[in-house]
Amino acid sequence: GQQVMQIPQYQHVQEGEDFTTYCNSSTTLSNIQWYKQRPGGHPVFLIQLVKSGEVKKQKRLTFQFGEAKKNSSLHITATQTTDVGTYFCAGLRGGSNYKLTFGKGTLLTVNP
Amino acid sequence: NAGVTQTPKFQVLKTGQSMTLQCAQDMNHEYMSWYRQDPGMGLRLIHYSVGAGITDQGEVPNGYNVSRSTTEDFPLRLLSAAPSQTSVYFCASSYSPSSYNEQFFGPGTRLTVL
Repeated sequence: GQQVMQIPQYQHVQEGEDFTTYCNSSTTLSNIQWYKQRPGGHPVFLIQLVKSGEVKKQKRLTFQFGEAKKNSSLHITATQTTDVGTYFCAGLRGGSNYKLTFGKGTLLTVNP
Repeated sequence: NAGVTQTPKFQVLKTGQSMTLQCAQDMNHEYMSWYRQDPGMGLRLIHYSVGAGITDQGEVPNGYNVSRSTTEDFPLRLLSAAPSQTSVYFCASSYSPSSYNEQFFGPGTRLTVL
């Protein structure tokens, strides 16, 4: 079945450093979504990428979708303590396949 | 607008007991799904529904049943609880499974099976 691999599993940074998490799918995706989950909370939608090579920005967050639509990345510039949490990518194969497959997530901790 | 609600928040069961986790949404979303979250495993899809009367299996469906008699409700039934079903369960909904499909998650149910 479809697999979505996400690395790294953990990342600890000093406040102000940059952070990147990467997502790779074993199959071509119709779209990819990113979610953030704060400790003890539920996943919250950040963004969806649909087009090959798409790049979207949300303030200090930059999301990219690969040309082959099989990989994606989330980059945070100058991390803040409010960025702490687990970041998940989730891929949808599309067509009649409605199963959203999540990566295992990257836990980001930020040292103030 | 309450969004996605789940009850109960916490539950402890004994092995072999059955129970139903409730999920409801008031956003008139077509698509609803159940995930379980275990440490280091991310979110794994249990069952999903693309509309009332239509359900399908996800990645880890064994030991769980679902039904979708209304657009609003999507209960998850554990038939005979096992310790391996100890997990945090999230229900999610989205407007459509195929187009712009931001998923809204409920607050979760923490289930312990002894």
